[in-house]
Amino acid sequence: KAGVTQTPRYLIKTRGQQVTLSCSPISGHRSVSWYQQTPGQGLQFLFEYFSETQRNKGNFPGRFSGRQFSNSRSEMNVSTLELGDSALYLCASSPPGQLEKLFFGSGTQLSVL
Amino acid sequence: KQEVTQIPAALSVPEGENLVLNCSFTDSAIYNLQWFRQDPGKGLTSLLLIQSSQREQTSGRLNASLDKSSGRSTLYIAASQPGDSATYLCAVVEYGNKLVFGAGTILRVKS
Repeated sequence: KAGVTQTPRYLIKTRGQQVTLSCSPISGHRSVSWYQQTPGQGLQFLFEYFSETQRNKGNFPGRFSGRQFSNSRSEMNVSTLELGDSALYLCASSPPGQLEKLFFGSGTQLSVL
Repeated sequence: KQEVTQIPAALSVPEGENLVLNCSFTDSAIYNLQWFRQDPGKGLTSLLLIQSSQREQTSGRLNASLDKSSGRSTLYIAASQPGDSATYLCAVVEYGNKLVFGAGTILRVKS
């Protein structure tokens, strides 16, 4: 069974641009959550999607948004990039009935110049 | 606001030693607590999940305990090996799958 797949693996953008990251969950998983990891703030929860609906949201500005498609694939978008958005963005999926059991992808390393 | 603290921040031990990693949290109203391992530049791998009603969980050489009343958890690693070198993260679940993570303990096991 394939794991959680995140694309692209690395991304370099400049301030003011926008970026879209993609996450394909494990087959059969309908819950997808996103986390941001930085050296200064550690791992922080961004949001969670289940059956195309955002169920939970962390304390991030509105520039961070996401969506989930009918096949459970998810995308997150960051608009008007800032230097502080440079981070490893991790996606995780959960099996039905076991929301607390998270399977993480390898992440997308975003660098904002 | 839930805060999770991990001590020590870094640890270097010779191969074969038993070691303990510590995690504390400020709000005892948690659903469960999880320990993860992260290798450099990689995602997280779940090691152990302790439900709020449980006291401990074991998997191979790993044992994790949970004391909700005192807001503490420990991860015990027996007979450490160089392959155990990684960052170990503790996280508490407040609801759903929203995890609050500690900053992690960087472990180095020397051969």
